[in-house]
Amino acid sequence: DAGITQSPRHKVTETGTPVTLRCHQTENHRYMYWYRQDPGHGLRLIHYSYGVKDTDKGEVSDGYSVSRSKTEDFLLTLESATSSQTSVYFCAISDSLGLAGAYDTDTQYFGPGTRLTVL
Amino acid sequence: QKEVEQDPGPLSVPEGAIVSLNCTYSNSAFQYFMWYRQYSRKGPELLMYTYSSGNKEDGRFTAQVDKSSKYISLFIRDSQPSDSATYLCAMSISGAGSYQLNFGKGTKLSVIP
Repeated sequence: DAGITQSPRHKVTETGTPVTLRCHQTENHRYMYWYRQDPGHGLRLIHYSYGVKDTDKGEVSDGYSVSRSKTEDFLLTLESATSSQTSVYFCAISDSLGLAGAYDTDTQYFGPGTRLTVL
Repeated sequence: QKEVEQDPGPLSVPEGAIVSLNCTYSNSAFQYFMWYRQYSRKGPELLMYTYSSGNKEDGRFTAQVDKSSKYISLFIRDSQPSDSATYLCAMSISGAGSYQLNFGKGTKLSVIP
């Protein structure tokens, strides 16, 4: 899993409670991402980070906040969880494919996911 | 309308069949095309990568890009039960140093023994 861990792997919580998911990488990559994956919607970008303390919103950022105080850690917080935030959450990091010239591009490597249920 | 469209399936085929998975896209600026494979309850993993138009082969897998039609395909020959997974296409505009990938919603494939 490209040196990416997510914790917790499973969580059940109640509506209105705060929840923090952690992503940890050992690859020293600059970019980190949080996605949610739901049936019928595929992967949707929540937030991403392009460096320590540098973050930006993705497609579905409402109700979520993020923080990145160290290169290796990217935290996703649901300030007050709702049932609509029941989902599988994936962290990803990106890196170059290491090819020559114009053929090279970045791709994303995903963690194992966190399954969150909000009752 | 999303920039990347992918038929969600599900697609069910017998073992040994040739599988064709497809995505269409609307942004003609896309140049880098990838296929990810995602097993149940796992994260997506990069399977194939193609730059610009043309074909790329890796074992039983062939990735094909037709930029004139804005259409990409992944072919799996001699499909195996272990190929049962969800396949996601992804594409981007820029090369190394870029970070945004546009994903399809994924096609769920089942290969029946």
